[in-house]
Amino acid sequence: DVKVTQSSRYLVKRTGEKVFLECVQDMDHENMFWYRQDPGLGLRLIYFSYDVKMKEKGDIPEGYSVSREKKERFSLILESASTNQTSMYLCASSGGLTQYFGPGTRLTVL
Amino acid sequence: AQTVTQSQPEMSVQEAETVTLSCTYDTSESDYYLFWYKQPPSRQMILVIRQEAYKQQNATENRFSVNFQKAAKSFSLKISDSQLGDAAMYFCASLQGAQKLVFGQGTRLTINP
Repeated sequence: DVKVTQSSRYLVKRTGEKVFLECVQDMDHENMFWYRQDPGLGLRLIYFSYDVKMKEKGDIPEGYSVSREKKERFSLILESASTNQTSMYLCASSGGLTQYFGPGTRLTVL
Repeated sequence: AQTVTQSQPEMSVQEAETVTLSCTYDTSESDYYLFWYKQPPSRQMILVIRQEAYKQQNATENRFSVNFQKAAKSFSLKISDSQLGDAAMYFCASLQGAQKLVFGQGTRLTINP
């Protein structure tokens, strides 16, 4: 079974802090994704990566950056957290058509 | 740009009954894929069913089936013999380009015992 893990299920940070969300997959997938999930809006793509050190902006990249130094790990970085970044963050990976999701990190920015 | 619309924020059904979740999409692509994902409470999102646009036959996975109407750009999910474990958020999604999934707003399904 594909396993996608995220470093934290719940996270509380203060405005202005730098926040790192980590995602690891164990299936040697080339593609990895970061989404944010908000009620009534579904999932929106923040960034994705199709190879190590490669990244592409999704639909809502403002205020975020990413890092992919190793194939299995994809990090989402909030350079200076703001209250409007309070959300559920989902990581996913894929080697083909189907994306496999992690459990999510619920981030609260105070 | 592709868009996916789920017009039913919430649905409920009696256990053992059948329920249909609606989804419409818009795309300029000629070749694309459609998905239904399920997100149970506090659990990971998992794939329910996938449909290739070039296939005329509707996809089926056990109690889950789709009604794919390509001309109408409609992709509804039918759940037969609903079970308590089917309670979840359901997301319709379309695959844009190489790997970009576009999601609908989601439908929260409640199963009444």
